[in-house]
Amino acid sequence: KQEVTQIPAALSVPEGENLVLNCSFTDSAIYNLQWFRQDPGKGLTSLLLIQSSQREQTSGRLNASLDKSSGRSTLYIAASQPGDSATYLCAVPLYNQGGKLIFGQGTELSVKP
Amino acid sequence: DTAVSQTPKYLVTQMGNDKSIKCEQNLGHDTMYWYKQDSKKFLKIMFSYNNKELIINETVPNRFSPKSPDKAHLNLHINSLELGDSAVYFCASSPSTRQTYEQYFGPGTRLTVT
Repeated sequence: KQEVTQIPAALSVPEGENLVLNCSFTDSAIYNLQWFRQDPGKGLTSLLLIQSSQREQTSGRLNASLDKSSGRSTLYIAASQPGDSATYLCAVPLYNQGGKLIFGQGTELSVKP
Repeated sequence: DTAVSQTPKYLVTQMGNDKSIKCEQNLGHDTMYWYKQDSKKFLKIMFSYNNKELIINETVPNRFSPKSPDKAHLNLHINSLELGDSAVYFCASSPSTRQTYEQYFGPGTRLTVT
């Protein structure tokens, strides 16, 4: 059974710091892993989709890595800004189950000015 | 131009009522989903439709009935609302059911049952 875990549940950093968010999954038979951002009271914004054949994916100050064999993904945020404050969620689709996503509990990030 | 839209954004209603949430996507995708986010912010899939056909039906009470009039719309009807139905409901879409595709989410509908 696929389970997705995100640690820590909450993180507070000063502005300008580089930080890493962690996501782990129990079943390495995944097609991809998707990172989302959720602002309070808002929907989910897709940040990065990293395919199983990729090791890294970058978008601006964000870099996601994927290590299938160890069941881990990290989201690296460079030079954090107060506007990065949000909850970050990772999700993987279940194998051969029509796109069903399994989500982690999320990491609530607060970047202090 | 909004890709995945939901109406209403907020819904407050009393126990026992019947309500519907509507979802529309203008991305030309074949597959649409309903997810529920509970009070602990945990997201879990409820249903998915591909080209108007039900693909995924999780262990959701049969008071919840999805309806897809066409592949751009997926509505969620809830009968006999209960307090435990209070949550945020998200609609999402993707090009197909293939797991390699990204899913795009709507803004959510916050349902409060009193």
